[in-house]
Amino acid sequence: VQLQESGPGLVKTSQTLSLTCAVSGTSISTGSYYWNWIRQPAGKGLEWIGRIYTGGSTTYNPSLKSRVIISRDTSNNEISLKLSSVTAADTAVYYCASSYCSGDCPFDPWGQGAQVTVSS
Amino acid sequence: QSVLTQPPSVSGAPGQRVTISCTGSSSNIGAGYDVYWYQQLPGTAPKLLIYGNNNRPSGVPDRFSGSKSGTSASLAITGLQAEDDADYYCQSYDSSLSAPYVFGAGTKVTVL
Repeated sequence: VQLQESGPGLVKTSQTLSLTCAVSGTSISTGSYYWNWIRQPAGKGLEWIGRIYTGGSTTYNPSLKSRVIISRDTSNNEISLKLSSVTAADTAVYYCASSYCSGDCPFDPWGQGAQVTVSS
Repeated sequence: QSVLTQPPSVSGAPGQRVTISCTGSSSNIGAGYDVYWYQQLPGTAPKLLIYGNNNRPSGVPDRFSGSKSGTSASLAITGLQAEDDADYYCQSYDSSLSAPYVFGAGTKVTVL
């Protein structure tokens, strides 16, 4: 399984950040996998944003829930992230990563990451 | 502020042993959930290093080992090598009302 993030590297303050994660090596709509988004501000730690299951159900970080939508495009085998009303605090490298269970399990593999800068 | 606590940095000479601690609470590590460790080389994505507290994925050298006790876990690197110079993150599942997946802030390992 390989994952590749893509999207605009620069987003204006108060607008919506949109990223795509292209998945290869497996179908995002079969099996029992969870497709996650995780971000990392420069020089800081990792923060889990949310996930979508192969069946389409989603779970979000409560701290971001009001601004996040994770969806999927099964025809293109892609996962998408939309984060609205962005501020400078949302500047980070955004990773997509897969996991095989809904609870106690690791993230593996990860995509290479996409740098997003929020600026006015 | 990260839910799991790690030291910001550790260092050691080639060949030495270093350990990284990861302290959680009763809603994550102390609740019996597993601890996972990731290695992040400069400019790259995190890579799974240890799963299920003390298991290595295929291809990870056996100089990396993990342990867990109570509300804490540790990653040990024995026979430190230059290529181990990287950031290391611990992760666990959390049953509180916060995000279900929590990470440490990361520990920078410097090979002297």
